[in-house]
Amino acid sequence: GDSVTQMEGPVTLSEEAFLTINCTYTATGYPSLFWYVQYPGEGLQLLLKATKADDKGSNKGFEATYRKETTSFHLEKGSVQVSDSAVYFCALISRMDSSYKLIFGSGTRLLVRP
Amino acid sequence: DGGITQSPKYLFRKEGQNVTLSCEQNLNHDAMYWYRQDPGQGLRLIYYSQIVNDFQKGDIAEGYSVSREKKESFPLTVTSAQKNPTAFYLCARKDRGLTDTQYFGPGTRLTVL
Repeated sequence: GDSVTQMEGPVTLSEEAFLTINCTYTATGYPSLFWYVQYPGEGLQLLLKATKADDKGSNKGFEATYRKETTSFHLEKGSVQVSDSAVYFCALISRMDSSYKLIFGSGTRLLVRP
Repeated sequence: DGGITQSPKYLFRKEGQNVTLSCEQNLNHDAMYWYRQDPGQGLRLIYYSQIVNDFQKGDIAEGYSVSREKKESFPLTVTSAQKNPTAFYLCARKDRGLTDTQYFGPGTRLTVL
């Protein structure tokens, strides 16, 4: 079945460092891909998305490119801030049945130190 | 917010009691979802509903029940049959566009004592 694998955390960075969080997927067809962010005690917020190969999603300085050839959707940010500390989830829409359910990775915790 | 509200934010119940979690959306969207999140894990689908008066089981439906009597409301009942109910519960709505994007509520943290 469809699945998402993302790098284990925690990822600890100093402020203004470059961020990469790896995400790879296995899916039938061409799923839409998403990154969600979860701050402590809160629900998930949509960070960015891409719907087809070579699409680049971007928001708040974060970017991810849909790479069909490597089945990847890595999250990047050029300069992280303390306020970016959160858990980041990579996800895809599974269209194996009519449910359109989200398949999530296990999440990567990011800690940014001043 | 994502146009979806959940209440309460924190809920405590004694073992053996049923409890109902509220989920309301105000954007007239058809599809709604319930997910469960355990520490250090991603979300898992409990139930979903694509239209009023219809709902389907997800991957971990045992011990849960739902209803969809109105488009804007999709309550989840955690029954006493759920063996490990303590978790963070998230409700989501799906937009009608081609991307099938889901937007989440703030969640309810249920603790069974």
